Amino acid sequence: KQEVTQIPAALSVPEGENLVLNCSFTDSAIYNLQWFRQDPGKGLTSLLLIQSSQREQTSGRLNASLDKSSGRSTLYIAASQPGDSATYLCAVTPGAQKLVFGQGTRLTINP
Amino acid sequence: GAGVSQSPSNKVTEKGKDVELRCDPISGHTALYWYRQSLGQGLEFLIYFQGNSAPDKSGLPSDRFSAERTGGSVSTLTIQRTQQEDSAVYLCASSLQPGQASNYGYTFGSGTRLTVV
Repeated sequence: KQEVTQIPAALSVPEGENLVLNCSFTDSAIYNLQWFRQDPGKGLTSLLLIQSSQREQTSGRLNASLDKSSGRSTLYIAASQPGDSATYLCAVTPGAQKLVFGQGTRLTINP
Repeated sequence: GAGVSQSPSNKVTEKGKDVELRCDPISGHTALYWYRQSLGQGLEFLIYFQGNSAPDKSGLPSDRFSAERTGGSVSTLTIQRTQQEDSAVYLCASSLQPGQASNYGYTFGSGTRLTVV
């Protein structure tokens, strides 16, 4: 059974810092991995999608990497801003099936 | 449409009543998913549709929960005889079937916040 773990569960850093969020999964047989952002009381916003054949994806200040063989992904956020405060969710797709989510990392950027 | 649309955005209902939640996926997306997020919890898978059929409904918590999809498009999640523990945000997502050339990530709607009083 695929399990996804995100570390840390919560993170608080001052504005301007670079930071890394971690995601690990137990079964390397995945179609893709997706990072989402969720603001309080809102739905999920897709940030980055890494397909199983790819090693990383970049969008603006965000960079996500994927190491399928070790079952790990990282989300790197450069020059953090207060507007980056949210819960970040990692999810994998085990084949043409449902997404399996981690519990998320609650990120707070302090001005 | 441009995104996944869910209605209503908020629903307050009395315990014991039935509710229907609606999801309009992105046009052309053959796969549709329902998830539930209870307060302070992670996302819990409920059911997956491929076209109009549901190959995986393993996440439906009880027989009070049912879902259907018609025309390969709109889906309705029905909760009968609602209980207070059904209070949660119900999220719908759609995707292209994996294997197609274009991006087959998942797009989520904004959710329906259900409160059972």
